[in-house]
Amino acid sequence: EPEVTQTPSHQVTQMGQEVILRCVPISNHLYFYWYRQILGQKVEFLVSFYNNEISEKSEIFDDQFSVERPDGSNFTLKIRSTKLEDSAMYFCASGGTGDKGTTEAFFGQGTRLTVV
Amino acid sequence: LAKTTQPISMDSYEGQEVNITCSHNNIATNDYITWYQQFPSQGPRFIIQGYKTKVTNEVASLFIPADRKSSTLSLPRVSLSDTAVYYCLDIDSGNTPLVFGKGTRLSVIA
Repeated sequence: EPEVTQTPSHQVTQMGQEVILRCVPISNHLYFYWYRQILGQKVEFLVSFYNNEISEKSEIFDDQFSVERPDGSNFTLKIRSTKLEDSAMYFCASGGTGDKGTTEAFFGQGTRLTVV
Repeated sequence: LAKTTQPISMDSYEGQEVNITCSHNNIATNDYITWYQQFPSQGPRFIIQGYKTKVTNEVASLFIPADRKSSTLSLPRVSLSDTAVYYCLDIDSGNTPLVFGKGTRLSVIA
């Protein structure tokens, strides 16, 4: 069964450093998402990406965040200058094979980011 | 902001049927009702989706009344491995991202 894969599974970084979280969505999907989940809290939407551009973003997704699809397979989330409060599990998701969006998203196993 | 309301937690013994009800007071005509499951330290996983009446798959059944203001996820004969957080969502058929609420934390006890 196809799956969304994320690397690394766990990343520790110092405050102020830049991190790049990587995702390989399911190959025929057209819609890509990043979510985060702070320990013990709910899953929060960050950004959606379609047709090589951001289609929607939340208030959390400020200037320190960026996304990119550098080639035909990878989808990355960059956090420019990490803060302690960025420590969370980050989930990538993908879905949809047509131009009308999707009601079902497939999530990766997540990257646990720890900022120290 | 999540549009649905569901109980924060539920407990059940193994082998019992569990019904989790969700309120969809602001559901729109184009919205589907969708349920996701999240195990600890894993990403959410799609369980089931419906528009109205009843839908059944190998994991669960979903009951949606005619007014679509609520839905009930039914898990038959739960086991310890069904311990997870269950989320109900209204999703329109377009590219609106999933918005998760706090979900219902189901604890299955032996």
